[in-house]
Amino acid sequence: EAGVVQSPRYKIIEKKQPVAFWCNPISGHNTLYWYLQNLGQGPELLIRYENEEAVDDSQLPKDRFSAERLKGVDSTLKIQPAELGDSAVYLCASSSGQTSTDTQYFGPGTRLTVL
Amino acid sequence: KNQVEQSPQSLIILEGKNCTLQCNYTVSPFSNLRWYKQDTGRGPVSLTIMTFSENTKSNGRYTATLDADTKQSSLHITASQLSDSASYICVVKNTGFQKLVFGTGTRLLVSP
Repeated sequence: EAGVVQSPRYKIIEKKQPVAFWCNPISGHNTLYWYLQNLGQGPELLIRYENEEAVDDSQLPKDRFSAERLKGVDSTLKIQPAELGDSAVYLCASSSGQTSTDTQYFGPGTRLTVL
Repeated sequence: KNQVEQSPQSLIILEGKNCTLQCNYTVSPFSNLRWYKQDTGRGPVSLTIMTFSENTKSNGRYTATLDADTKQSSLHITASQLSDSASYICVVKNTGFQKLVFGTGTRLLVSP
């Protein structure tokens, strides 16, 4: 069974440019998460989806970040315009969402460098 | 404030030795506590998940303990291997907001 797929794995852009990340969760997983991870830190939640509904986007900087999960399957996270401080690893995770102890499965992440 | 603190920040041990990583949390109300292993350049992988009523849980050479009264957990690694070199992240789930609160991790290096 394929795990969580993310692309691209690496992205280098200049500041003020737009960038988009794509995530395909494990088949059948209703819950999808986007996290930001800075070097030496734990992941920080940006947004959580239950199917196509964003149920927690309180930590998403909405002035420049946006996300969508139109059909409740794959998802896109966008930054426009990117700033130097956005350089980080962006992780996508998914879970079945059926119990409080269900496991979150993480993708390999997209490492973003903003120059 | 909901927080998860881990110690030590980093650790170097010799291959074959045991080690114990610590996690203290203030997350409330508590739902469950998880330990993840994160290899460099990869996403975290779940090792154990423990609920309030569980004191210990093992996954191969990894054994996690939980003391819900003192809000402390530990991860014990037995007979370490080079492949154990990674960051180990303690994560606590909050019942009320269904949030996961992540620690900053302990970076473990197993030296030959």
